[in-house]
Amino acid sequence: KQEVTQIPAALSVPEGENLVLNCSFTDSAIYNLQWFRQDPGKGLTSLLLIQSSQREQTSGRLNASLDKSSGRSTLYIAASQPGDSATYLCAETGGSNYKLTFGKGTLLTVNP
Amino acid sequence: NAGVTQTPKFQVLKTGQSMTLQCAQDMNHEYMSWYRQDPGMGLRLIHYSVGAGITDQGEVPNGYNVSRSTTEDFPLRLLSAAPSQTSVYFCASSYSRKNYGYTFGSGTRLTVV
Repeated sequence: KQEVTQIPAALSVPEGENLVLNCSFTDSAIYNLQWFRQDPGKGLTSLLLIQSSQREQTSGRLNASLDKSSGRSTLYIAASQPGDSATYLCAETGGSNYKLTFGKGTLLTVNP
Repeated sequence: NAGVTQTPKFQVLKTGQSMTLQCAQDMNHEYMSWYRQDPGMGLRLIHYSVGAGITDQGEVPNGYNVSRSTTEDFPLRLLSAAPSQTSVYFCASSYSRKNYGYTFGSGTRLTVV
C-alpha cells in the first residue's frame, strides 16, 4: 500500500528564514511527485511536479528535490514571507493504476 | 482556459436527500477523479475515470456513484446523503497520470444535517 508521510505537521518560522518541508513515501515504483499549496478554505494549487527521472525542480523561491532510493522529497522555500503561510501537501503517483496518494500536509506559518 | 470547474461551492443537505456535484474541465484531460478531504484524514480518492465511459472505485466509494459520458464532465452523485458524507469534495484531472501532474478544482463544501 502506498503511503506518504509529511513531517512536521506544523511549522512556525520568522519572516526571511529559509526552510525545508519533508515528504517521505513508500512506493519504490513512483512515477512522479507533486507539491501543492492549500490556503484555508481553498482548493489545491500545484507548485512543482518532479518526474521520476528528475532530481529537482525550481520555481522562483521554491526548489523541490526527489530521491527515489531513499523515498524522500523536500520542498525548500527561500526567504520565507508571510504570504507563504498555508498548508503544503505532497502527493506521489505510482502503483499499478497510477494512483495519486497524498500526505496529510504541513501547516506553515510565517510570522512577520 | 477555466481549468477544472466545480459547482456548487457550498451545499447543505438533509439526511436522505440526493444531489449531484458537478465537475467540468476544458483541458482535454483523459483522467478525472474525485477526492474528499476530512480533518485528520487527508485527501482520499472516491472514484476515478481514465476516459469517457470508463470509471472505477477508489479508496472510499461507498455512498457515491459516478459516470463519464463525455471527456469534459465527471459528476459525483450522492444517492442518499448521510452525515458521514459531510466533507469538502475536490475534483481533479490530468492529461496523463504517469508523466503529468494534476489540476484541482476549488472544491465543494458539503454539510449533511
